[in-house]
Amino acid sequence: QVHLVQSGAEVKRPGASVKISCQTSGYDFSAFSVHWVRQAPGQSLEWMGWITTAQGTKYAQKFQGRVTFTRDTSANTAYLELRSLTSADTAVYYCARPRGSGGRYSYLDYWGQGTLVTVSS
Amino acid sequence: QSVLFQPPSMSGTPGQTLTLSCSGSSSNIGKNPVNWYYQTPGKAPQLLIFSNDQRPSEIPDRFSASTSGSSASLAISGLQSEDEADYFCSSWDDKVQGWLFGGGTKVTVL
Repeated sequence: QVHLVQSGAEVKRPGASVKISCQTSGYDFSAFSVHWVRQAPGQSLEWMGWITTAQGTKYAQKFQGRVTFTRDTSANTAYLELRSLTSADTAVYYCARPRGSGGRYSYLDYWGQGTLVTVSS
Repeated sequence: QSVLFQPPSMSGTPGQTLTLSCSGSSSNIGKNPVNWYYQTPGKAPQLLIFSNDQRPSEIPDRFSASTSGSSASLAISGLQSEDEADYFCSSWDDKVQGWLFGGGTKVTVL
């Protein structure tokens, strides 16, 4: 069974950084990219980007320069780090596994349970 | 603000057919596949439809989808109480070079 298990909720001060983990099991982690999507309270989903099997990254323009995706194949785990947090970053952050031919032809078939990040002074 | 437009809410009675819409443009739905996800309160999104009209094996055939030009639609036939959820369309956008999600449609079963 495919599982993506994320780290627990975080509370951060404005200006701080947060690092979220996404530990996977039940499939060959080294053969799949990982996508990150966030959802502010009561809002829709917002795609943040992906990290490929070769450690290549694609970041949504909005997050360029402020986010870093990494992955540790030995631990079957992906990470998201977001810096210079503001209250607008308060959201649930999801990791997800893509299927399909890649890029625009992908779809997200398994999702982590989400990690709530609250940014508050 | 989402570039993919979905009506914020729709409702129906059990057994009814609901059709949800997702309106985009030539840079997204007009040339790229559409995926649909659903989400119940407090849960992660789940894949409902991929590549415009393909259902994962675990999704009942009451759910169907299609695209036409720069718009997509999701039909839920034989509406059931368990179909109450938020439904999101998604497509790659060539202008922003990233994925977009619609604002979501909250489906209520009366």
